[in-house]
Amino acid sequence: AQTVTQSQPEMSVQEAETVTLSCTYDTSESDYYLFWYKQPPSRQMILVIRQEAYKQQNATENRFSVNFQKAAKSFSLKISDSQLGDAAMYFCAYRSGGANSKLTFGKGITLSVRP
Amino acid sequence: EAQVTQNPRYLITVTGKKLTVTCSQNMNHEYMSWYRQDPGLGLRQIYYSMNVEVTDKGDVPEGYKVSRKEKRNFPLILESPSPNQTSLYFCASSFAMISPLHFGNGTRLTVT
Repeated sequence: AQTVTQSQPEMSVQEAETVTLSCTYDTSESDYYLFWYKQPPSRQMILVIRQEAYKQQNATENRFSVNFQKAAKSFSLKISDSQLGDAAMYFCAYRSGGANSKLTFGKGITLSVRP
Repeated sequence: EAQVTQNPRYLITVTGKKLTVTCSQNMNHEYMSWYRQDPGLGLRQIYYSMNVEVTDKGDVPEGYKVSRKEKRNFPLILESPSPNQTSLYFCASSFAMISPLHFGNGTRLTVT
């Protein structure tokens, strides 16, 4: 079974600085998708970024980018120019490309942003 | 506006009293699923549905039922709720299983 590990339960970053959130996963499959979701205090789940395993290029969405290391099974999220609104819980998630795949989440990391 | 609508947002009930949490999406998505979120455990899948009348168990299906009679609706039923089902519940949908999920706003359930 696939597992997703977020080993850091909490992190803190100074406003305008850069922070990297770690995520590792375990799979024997070659076709899969990786996601980062943000959950602010409003508790809504918001998709931040998505990475297809077959793409070598790291995904980028404005201030958010990933460092996808397929061989190491690592999928870290980098937030540049951190803003107060980035304070939230962040979940890493994995989904295989198979017909009956489900989304498997990590336990999440709480990010606080210091003004 | 494209959205997944869950109701209610908050629910307090007593052990054994049957309840239903509704979920509806207006995006014509085929795939829908239910998750529960507990501190330190992340989100765990309860049930999912790949289309009308097609449902399957996720990781933690015990104590829950679902139905998918229409494409847009996917209610979660707790026939006899117990305190260990106190949790934050999310409904989600996507165009296909590999597409990003759209989440509802969550239902905070407390069973006393």
